[in-house]
Amino acid sequence: DTEVTQTPKHLVMGMTNKKSLKCEQHMGHRAMYWYKQKAKKPPELMFVYSYEKLSINESVPSRFSPECPNSSLLNLHLHALQPEDSALYLCASSHPQGLLNTGELFFGEGSRLTVL
Amino acid sequence: AQTVTQSQPEMSVQEAETVTLSCTYDTSESDYYLFWYKQPPSRQMILVIRQEAYKQQNATENRFSVNFQKAAKSFSLKISDSQLGDAAMYFCAYTDSGAGSYQLTFGKGTKLSVIP
Repeated sequence: DTEVTQTPKHLVMGMTNKKSLKCEQHMGHRAMYWYKQKAKKPPELMFVYSYEKLSINESVPSRFSPECPNSSLLNLHLHALQPEDSALYLCASSHPQGLLNTGELFFGEGSRLTVL
Repeated sequence: AQTVTQSQPEMSVQEAETVTLSCTYDTSESDYYLFWYKQPPSRQMILVIRQEAYKQQNATENRFSVNFQKAAKSFSLKISDSQLGDAAMYFCAYTDSGAGSYQLTFGKGTKLSVIP
């Protein structure tokens, strides 16, 4: 299994809603990532979890709350979002550095978020 | 901070022909990884090819090859025998080989069109 699975594929929410994006992988990767991608732009790193602990938070607003309940799952909780938060949210996973070093990130198909 | 520059926002190639996408990067590190990722309209980022900085030999994957010039900090992608399925956004990316997880720095991307 070399897949990173993201749900839902599409999400429309109002500015007062609370929703969550989910990501799952069964490749034994111990590093997981959230990226935000606006149209025609490269992905921007939001959060990194290494061995289920938050290791990097790229100054993301608190209306985005990540969670890594176990080594296979990564969630992104959304609350009180703004229309400018509409984007494609990509999850990725990798082996942590020092273990099977390849440098490669495996990406999911993304969740397309629209905030009304 | 590391930077990755793709100077060609858009390119086109005739089917079966060869095209080269350019990428330059800036880093003070000596050990790192370079990647080309492909993102078709289906959204999923797919690894095309990977290069380890300490390896002098250029990486090759079937119709895809790179020209890695470490001193010049250049990492171009050559696609031979272009196919319609090669049409996509191509991102050049860099990551250190230091401790912890991999933080990809992406270029702005090159949109490749394949003309039948």
